[in-house]
Amino acid sequence: DGGITQSPKYLFRKEGQNVTLSCEQNLNHDAMYWYRQDPGQGLRLIYYSQIVNDFQKGDIAEGYSVSREKKESFPLTVTSAQKNPTAFYLCASTSPGRQGQPQHFGDGTRLSIL
Amino acid sequence: AQSVSQHNHHVILSEAASLELGCNYSYGGTVNLFWYVQYPGQHLQLLLKYFSGDPLVKGIKGFEAEFIKSKFSFNLRKPSVQWSDTAEYFCAVIPSSNTGKLIFGQGTTLQVKP
Repeated sequence: DGGITQSPKYLFRKEGQNVTLSCEQNLNHDAMYWYRQDPGQGLRLIYYSQIVNDFQKGDIAEGYSVSREKKESFPLTVTSAQKNPTAFYLCASTSPGRQGQPQHFGDGTRLSIL
Repeated sequence: AQSVSQHNHHVILSEAASLELGCNYSYGGTVNLFWYVQYPGQHLQLLLKYFSGDPLVKGIKGFEAEFIKSKFSFNLRKPSVQWSDTAEYFCAVIPSSNTGKLIFGQGTTLQVKP
């Protein structure tokens, strides 16, 4: 079945450490997105990519980095510069060429600080 | 700034009660509108969407939403809720000019008592 796979489901980070969250999709979607979900704040866009080798900052990109070397993969690195990384991270993708189409979401990764 | 506002953060209803969750957006141009639902422990799922045409749209599980352009609103309704509707509900907007980026509301937690 086609879908979006995020891993790991739970992740712990030590102070000063970078961690990378994985997002893989087999839906042949061109566009991929990373959101952060915090209680009472909904989902906020971190980064998005509309095509391979290209990505743009979202609303809260500081302290994060991404890459898009393959169409299927859009990993997110939470760097030590992100001072409040504890959150639920969601990856999404959408159909090629139809930017108004709904996004499909992965199951999320919950990141916590040790 | 473009924003989406959900009026109720936490709603508690008894089974068979009627539901209406408010959603207003600030963007003045053409928009695509969505309601997503997140059941406990599950990923975000699309409930319904509006792109054009009939402003009353029907989604899964008996939900419907009405787009009222003059009020910049897209309220979600269900005539009779069930315990299984307990979840978090997110309103989201894609302004047609912004290349597919979803702008989410803060979310509404619905708790249905059996």
